[in-house]
Formats: sequence, structure tokens, C-alpha cells
Amino acid sequence: NAGVTQTPKFQVLKTGQSMTLQCAQDMNHNSMYWYRQDPGMGLRLIYYSASEGTTDKGEVPNGYNVSRLNKREFSLRLESAAPSQTSVYFCASSGGSNQPQHFGDGTRLSIL
Amino acid sequence: GEDVEQSLFLSVREGDSSVINCTYTDSSSTYLYWYKQEPGAGLQLLTYIFSNMDMKQDQRLTVLLNKKDKHLSLRIADTQTGDSAIYFCAESIGGFQKLVFGTGTRLLVSP
Repeated sequence: NAGVTQTPKFQVLKTGQSMTLQCAQDMNHNSMYWYRQDPGMGLRLIYYSASEGTTDKGEVPNGYNVSRLNKREFSLRLESAAPSQTSVYFCASSGGSNQPQHFGDGTRLSIL
Repeated sequence: GEDVEQSLFLSVREGDSSVINCTYTDSSSTYLYWYKQEPGAGLQLLTYIFSNMDMKQDQRLTVLLNKKDKHLSLRIADTQTGDSAIYFCAESIGGFQKLVFGTGTRLLVSP
């Protein structure tokens, strides 16, 4: 069972470089999410997509853009990476309102 | 405001029960969740409870919800070394199910 798949698993960038983090789910879920996890801070929502064709800002959207490419895929783009964006990024999906979210294994991103 | 608080660390011996506590602030929460994160891995959904329930049991896991005090707990019976991980409490906010996470409790189980 693949569930939620994130690529890449690890990445090192230089300040100012751009990058797209990929996420795909095979559970036919309507909703998808991007979080970042920083030490001692739990997970914070960056962007979410309630359904195909819609995206909305979460708690910490600055410096990021997203694309809901189709029902399966939801990508996160850093246009000009900054050291403050060094973090572990998690993608999640759910069947919709009041359905639990299922997480991928994360992308560990370091920006030098 | 939205805030979820957890203690940072819990240490128990194998075979004992573990109790991880969580407090939340938003009384409009619909569901409350417990996730487990092992090193280098994503978050695994353990269990969840609807806000109109007081208790839910699932094998070794028991969730207790005190809505008056906005307190949630996760009890793990017969704790094993494989239960060592970080446990996150999360509350859902609003109809869309925005999740607000606590900072996580690191559980260490010693033989």
C-alpha cells in the first residue's frame, strides 16, 4: 500500500535556488495538505487543497507556492530558497471534512 | 485562539502503562487525534475521538476526553520498546478539518 508518496526524501539547496517538492496519493482522497515540521514546534500548515482545482493558505504560506495538478498530485514550490526554510516537509491527504489525514514519510530539506 | 500543549518527555519501563497528556484550547474542535512518529518517518495515525465521546478503546490504546477541562489523554497498556517514538496530539478546527498539532511527547521505553 503506497498511500502518500513524497519525492525527494532528502535535498540540499543553496540560498536563492528554486525547488519543487512532489506529493502523490493513491487513496482517491479529495483533500491534500503541506506541513513543515521544525524542532520543538510540531507541524504547521503551509497550504492545503480542499478539492481538485482549489488551494488555500495555511498558517505559514510565505515563501511557498502550490499546485494541485490533479486529484492525485499536490506540489509545493520554493521559488527562492532561504535558510529559514530548512525543515522537514510533510504532505498529507484525507477523504475530506472530518476524515483523518494520512501522511507521507517527509522530505528533509536543508538550505545553506 | 488555537493552541495544543503536551509535555515534552515521558520515560517508562517495558510492561508498564504509559499515559500521554494533551490540553487544547478551541472548544469548537470536532475531532481529536493521536499520531505516532518514529525516527526518520512520517506521522502514523494511531486513533481519534469525536468530540461528543468521553472514551475510545482500541486494543492497547485508550483515549480519554474531558471536554470541560479540554484535556485529552492517550494510555498505552503493556508498553513495549517498539512504542518508543514521538506522539502528537492534534485537534481539528472548523468544518474543513484544519489540524493544529501539539509539539509532541517523546516516549522512551526501557527494557
